[in-house]
Order: sequence, then C-alpha cells, then structure tokens
Amino acid sequence: EVQLVESGGGLVQPGGSLRLSCAASGFTFSSYWMHWVRQAPGKGLVWVSRINSDGSSTSYADSVKGRFTISRDNAKNTLYLQMNSLRAEDTAVYYCARGQWQIDYWGQGTLVTVSS
Amino acid sequence: QSALTQPASVSGSPGQSITISCTGTSSDVGGYNYVSWYQQHPGKAPKLMIYEVSNRPSGVSNRFSGSKSGNTASLTISGLQAEDEADYYCSSYTSSSTLFGGGTKLTVL
Repeated sequence: EVQLVESGGGLVQPGGSLRLSCAASGFTFSSYWMHWVRQAPGKGLVWVSRINSDGSSTSYADSVKGRFTISRDNAKNTLYLQMNSLRAEDTAVYYCARGQWQIDYWGQGTLVTVSS
Repeated sequence: QSALTQPASVSGSPGQSITISCTGTSSDVGGYNYVSWYQQHPGKAPKLMIYEVSNRPSGVSNRFSGSKSGNTASLTISGLQAEDEADYYCSSYTSSSTLFGGGTKLTVL
C-alpha cells in the first residue's frame, strides 16, 4: 500500500524557516517524481514544487521561488521542503504527492501556520 | 503560471448529469494530454478521478468521465449520487510546472 506521511509543520513567525519531511513507503520511491502542493484554509489546491526521480531537476511556483527548496533522499525514501523567509500567505496545509504527468497519491498533509 | 479556470460551483439533482469545465491555454491544457481531475471531500486529501484527459484509475466509478477540446477540458459525472458532493479540481502538467484549477464545489440537491 502506498503511504505518504508528512511531518514538520507547526507555528512559525514571519521571516522564519521550517523544513517539512515526507516519508514514503509501499512503492519504489526512487522511481517517481514527487510534489508539494498546498491548500490555504478554505481555499483551493496550489502547486508548490516538484522534483524528478533522481533529484537532478526541480521546479517551483513563482510565489515560492528563491525561498523554498525541494529535495529528496532516495536512500531514506524521504522528500523534503525547506521553507525560508516565510510569510503569512504561506499558511496552509502542505501535501506531499506522487506522480509525474499526474499526481496519483497524496499524503494527509501537515499544517504550517505563519503568524506572530 | 496562471491557474486554470473552473466555475466556482455547479449543482444537480440525484440521477442527473453535470459537467465541470477547466480552461487553460495552448501552453498547458491545450498543449499536453496530461489533464487530471481530483475529488476532495472536506478535511480529506484529494483523490485522483481522471488522468491523461479521459482515463479512470482502478476503482473509480465509470460514472466519471473526462474529455478535452482545444484549451478546455471537462469532467462529466453522470447519475449523480449524494456522495459525489465535494470539491473538484483539474490539473495540467507542463514542462516547467504543474497547474491546478481554482476548484469547483459540486452540490447534489
């Protein structure tokens, strides 16, 4: 069974940093592209970033470019999102998700709240 | 990186059919056959309902179907059931990003 379990969310002050992790199991992690997608309270899904299977290629939404960094450790079956210079508008549930042409599995999400 | 355009809401009665549109550009929806649709119930993670424009994953009811014409993709749900009430999102792969629509709230009357 495919499982994606996010962790690392919490309350952080504006300008602060946070690192999210996503532990993957039930599939060959190193064979799949991975994404981070976020959803602000009461709002829609917004794509944040993606990384290819070996970590050599990454893409970011304009809203997070230069502040967020996606990475992966295929030996640990883990996806990461380093978030720096956080803003109030980054407050959201962050989902880890699997897929290249389409996302076929999603984690349950971790809540990030940026507030003073 | 503009979001894809979906109607904010649609509604239908049990047994009826509804269609949700998703409009993009020739750089996303129109340029790739990688349009997918997701269903999200409140407090839950999204679920893949349609991939590559018109394909259904195993386990998804055949009441759900997808199509595309030019820069607009569509999701049709036939024989509406109460459990179909949810938010629906379209998505398109591009070479540089992945785009989502703003979401459509489906109400089953």
